[in-house]
Amino acid sequence: GDSVTQTEGLVTLTKGLPVMLNCTYQTTYSPFLFWYVQHLNEAPKLLLKSSTDNKRTEHQGFYATLHKSSSSFHLQKSSVQLSDSALYFCASRNYNQGKLIFGQGTKLSIKP
Amino acid sequence: GGIITQTPKFLIGQEGQKLTLKCQQNFNHDTMYWYRQDSGKGLRLIYYSITENDLQKGDLSEGYDASREKKSSFSLTVTSAQKNEMAVFLCASSIEGGSAETLYFGSGTRLTVL
Repeated sequence: GDSVTQTEGLVTLTKGLPVMLNCTYQTTYSPFLFWYVQHLNEAPKLLLKSSTDNKRTEHQGFYATLHKSSSSFHLQKSSVQLSDSALYFCASRNYNQGKLIFGQGTKLSIKP
Repeated sequence: GGIITQTPKFLIGQEGQKLTLKCQQNFNHDTMYWYRQDSGKGLRLIYYSITENDLQKGDLSEGYDASREKKSSFSLTVTSAQKNEMAVFLCASSIEGGSAETLYFGSGTRLTVL
């Protein structure tokens, strides 16, 4: 069946360093890919989304490129801030399918 | 803008008890969802509904019932709470449920079963 895999459970970094959070997916049909972010005690909210192969999409300093050849949609940022500490979920959804499938989530912890 | 309101924020129950969680949205969205969030397991879909009185099972529907009597509300019932169960239940909505649609989430109901 369809699935989304995030390999890192916890990523700890010092402020100012770059970050890449991994996301790979398995799907029968052409998917939409999403990144959602959840800050502590808050609701998850959309960070960015894409369905276009090899096109970079950006929001709030984060960016990701959907690569259908490798079934990947990794999230990156060139310089992390303390406020980026949160739980990040990768998710996918196919055409004609109502449900969104989430990965296990990656907790990003930024130290001063 | 709109908002999703989940009640209660915290729910403590006893083993075997039937527990109901409520969700209201004022976005006028067609599709609503219930997800369960466990530490280290991401968000798993319990039920979703594409319109009033519609119900679709997710991957985790066993042990739960849902009800969508109005477009703006979607309730979830834990039919028999399991001892030591702890999880956060998240309600969400989207305009149609199409492939590109963004989900808008509530802040969750945190369940503890004693």
